[in-house]
Formats: sequence, structure tokens, C-alpha cells
Amino acid sequence: DAKTTQPNSMESNEEEPVHLPCNHSTISGTDYIHWYRQLPSQGPEYVIHGLTSNVNNRMASLAIAEDRKSSTLILHRATLRDAAVYYCILYYSGGSNYKLTFGKGTLLTVNP
Amino acid sequence: DTAVSQTPKYLVTQMGNDKSIKCEQNLGHDTMYWYKQDSKKFLKIMFSYNNKELIINETVPNRFSPKSPDKAHLNLHINSLELGDSAVYFCASSQDKWSFTEAFFGQGTRLTVV
Repeated sequence: DAKTTQPNSMESNEEEPVHLPCNHSTISGTDYIHWYRQLPSQGPEYVIHGLTSNVNNRMASLAIAEDRKSSTLILHRATLRDAAVYYCILYYSGGSNYKLTFGKGTLLTVNP
Repeated sequence: DTAVSQTPKYLVTQMGNDKSIKCEQNLGHDTMYWYKQDSKKFLKIMFSYNNKELIINETVPNRFSPKSPDKAHLNLHINSLELGDSAVYFCASSQDKWSFTEAFFGQGTRLTVV
């Protein structure tokens, strides 16, 4: 199964952009790239997902490398509420076949 | 209203006991999941139900048995609890059968086996 690699931790200052990287060099053509985050003592929360093209939503942007072997989650202006563990996840489903691979996550600390 | 709610939030029990965790979602979703997060914060999928039908059953001991009385509920029953079962268990739901997109998670149930 394809695996993801993320830095264990990153630090940012409030109101500055944050770029969270994820490597997935063994990704296959049908794997979707998802990002979830987990705030302290809460369940994971969906952030964004994509396949090949860059994606934007109200929470973040997702930049996907042309060869799809890496991606970057971009928080445009970090706030204290963005402090969380961010998971990069590969997901594929084809009928009854599926695979769901979680990375170990990046702990993002946001300094005031 | 809470979208995905789990009860109890905390559960402390002795080895060998049988316990259940309940989960309910009010989102009208067709698919529900159980995940386990261990002490190292690694999140693993355990089960998934779609319209009361089991569709994902990862390698989980037989002591764990999910039950879905209707598509809004997915309960997890654990027999003969062991120390290694201590973890945080998350329930989740999503609209589509094979979609992980925009899954909603509950707050988690912290299970401690002593």
C-alpha cells in the first residue's frame, strides 16, 4: 500500500502562512489525497482533498506536485485555532476494493 | 445539535469485562465507521457499515463486534477486554459508500482497561 511521510512537527507564527508537506512517492493513479486535522481532545476534521489539480476551499489550499509524489497543505493565515495534528491520507476505492493509508501526522504549533 | 455523537466519552473498566460504545449520527449519511487511535496517536480504521451492511472489516480481533440497528447508529461491542484495547475510539460518518471525503467524526471515547 502507498504510504505517506510527514514531518513530525512544525511551528508557525500567528497570521503567517503555513506550508505543511507530505511525501507519497508510491502513490498510484487512482489514489485521492485527503487532509484531515485533529484539534486537541477532538475527533479528526476534514480539511481538503484532491486528485491531480490544486484545490482551494474556505479552510485551506492543496498544492499537488505534477508527478503527484508530494503535496502541500497551505494555511494562508495561521490562527491559534489552527494548532492541531494534520494528517495526510491516501484514499482509493474501487467498488469493494479500497485502501486507506494514514500518515503519522504533523503537529502544528502556532505562536501568538 | 452534535452531528456525530458517541457515548460514553470516558470508559474505565477491568480486564475481562464486556463493554459497548454507542454512536449516532443525525446527518442522514449512509456510511458509518469505527476508528481506533492508539497511544502514539496513530489512527486506524476498524469497521465500516453502509445502510446496516458491513463493508469494511479490518483485521480486528473477534472480540470486537459492530452492530448497526439502523443507518443512523453504529455501536461497538467489545468482549473480554484486554489491556491492549486501551485507546481512543472514534465513530465517523460520510455520505457515500466508498467515499472518505468530508467524513464527520465524533468526539471520541477514551477507553482505559485496568
